[in-house]
Amino acid sequence: GDSVTQMEGPVTLSEEAFLTINCTYTATGYPSLFWYVQYPGEGLQLLLKATKADDKGSNKGFEATYRKETTSFHLEKGSVQVSDSAVYFCALIRMDSSYKLIFGSGTRLLVRP
Amino acid sequence: ETGVTQTPRHLVMGMTNKKSLKCEQHLGHNAMYWYKQSAKKPLELMFVYNFKEQTENNSVPSRFSPECPNSSHLFLHLHTLQPEDSALYLCASSLGLAQQETQYFGPGTRLLVL
Repeated sequence: GDSVTQMEGPVTLSEEAFLTINCTYTATGYPSLFWYVQYPGEGLQLLLKATKADDKGSNKGFEATYRKETTSFHLEKGSVQVSDSAVYFCALIRMDSSYKLIFGSGTRLLVRP
Repeated sequence: ETGVTQTPRHLVMGMTNKKSLKCEQHLGHNAMYWYKQSAKKPLELMFVYNFKEQTENNSVPSRFSPECPNSSHLFLHLHTLQPEDSALYLCASSLGLAQQETQYFGPGTRLLVL
């Protein structure tokens, strides 16, 4: 079945460090890909998305590129801040399911001052 | 502020209790969802409603009973739960069910079943 695999956390970085959170997926066809972020005590918020191969989603300094050849959608940020500390979820929606989000298990990011 | 509110934020209940979770969205959306977030497991879609009609029941046990009286409100009625049902229950809404529609999540209700 369809699935999303994320790197296990927690990921601990110092402020201004470079961030990469790996995400790979298994799905038939051409899914849409998403990154959601969950800050402490809050619900999930959409961070960015990409709907076709080679698309790059970006928001708040975060970027991810839809790589069909490697079935990946890695999240990157050039300089993290303490306020970026949260849990990050990679997810997909298959073209034929329209709304059914399939999530990875989440990666906790801790940024230290 | 995402426009999706959930009450209560925390709930402790015994296995013989009956309780309800409430979700309200102020975004004018037509689709609403219940998700379960268990420790160390991916979020699981439980139910989907579109224009008050249930469109998805993801093989959820009958001890969870959803209700959607209108497009702005969604309930999850709980009865005879098990300790393994302890989790964070998230509500979400979207304008519709099309793939490009973003789902907006509430803060969740953290449920502990004793």
